[in-house]
Amino acid sequence: GAGVSQSPSNKVTEKGKDVELRCDPISGHTALYWYRQRLGQGLEFLIYFQGNSAPDKSGLPSDRFSAERTGGSVSTLTIQRTQQEDSAVYLCASSLALGGTYNEQFFGPGTRLTVL
Amino acid sequence: GQNIDQPTEMTATEGAIVQINCTYQTSGFNGLFWYQQHAGEAPTFLSYNVLDGLEEKGRFSSFLSRSKGYSYLLLKELQMKDSASYLCAVWDSNYQLIWGAGTKLIIKP
Repeated sequence: GAGVSQSPSNKVTEKGKDVELRCDPISGHTALYWYRQRLGQGLEFLIYFQGNSAPDKSGLPSDRFSAERTGGSVSTLTIQRTQQEDSAVYLCASSLALGGTYNEQFFGPGTRLTVL
Repeated sequence: GQNIDQPTEMTATEGAIVQINCTYQTSGFNGLFWYQQHAGEAPTFLSYNVLDGLEEKGRFSSFLSRSKGYSYLLLKELQMKDSASYLCAVWDSNYQLIWGAGTKLIIKP
């Protein structure tokens, strides 16, 4: 596709519900990243994928968070039993490769999650 | 631990020059990025430095000193549209991008 797309753009949910956020990276990009950004704060790294593999999951805030990527393309970030502290914008980015010259990350528009 | 430091906020005048500094302490280094983020929007790429020295791209330049763990972003001929947050991020040895909290740049006429 022309750019990174994310869905939904906005999600309002009740505390305790599960949510699933989707990211479609740029076609051909092997690396995919998830970040969280709370209002007025910097980016918080969550997890990255190289292909379908996530070598390091230590950035995920708790065991309520999980992510997967299939077919080296679409990724989903799942938050179980949402809490009000999970309210944030969740940003997805992709890059052509993980390292070297082609590691510029292109960001999607984000999903704004509000937990009531 | 890993740490990226940059000023929280800076103010500059339209037409002037501003330098935004970034210092870092990370486990390994595979490059440093600067991103621009307008309020309510996703970050967009500005520059990438992996070797020491100055990289110039139009009105924006980025400098890196690996021995000092230091970078700066230089913006010339400031325009009102440059009002945004500027994010410094370092690529560590584990391929994690460690982000600074960002510098909010306010441009005054």
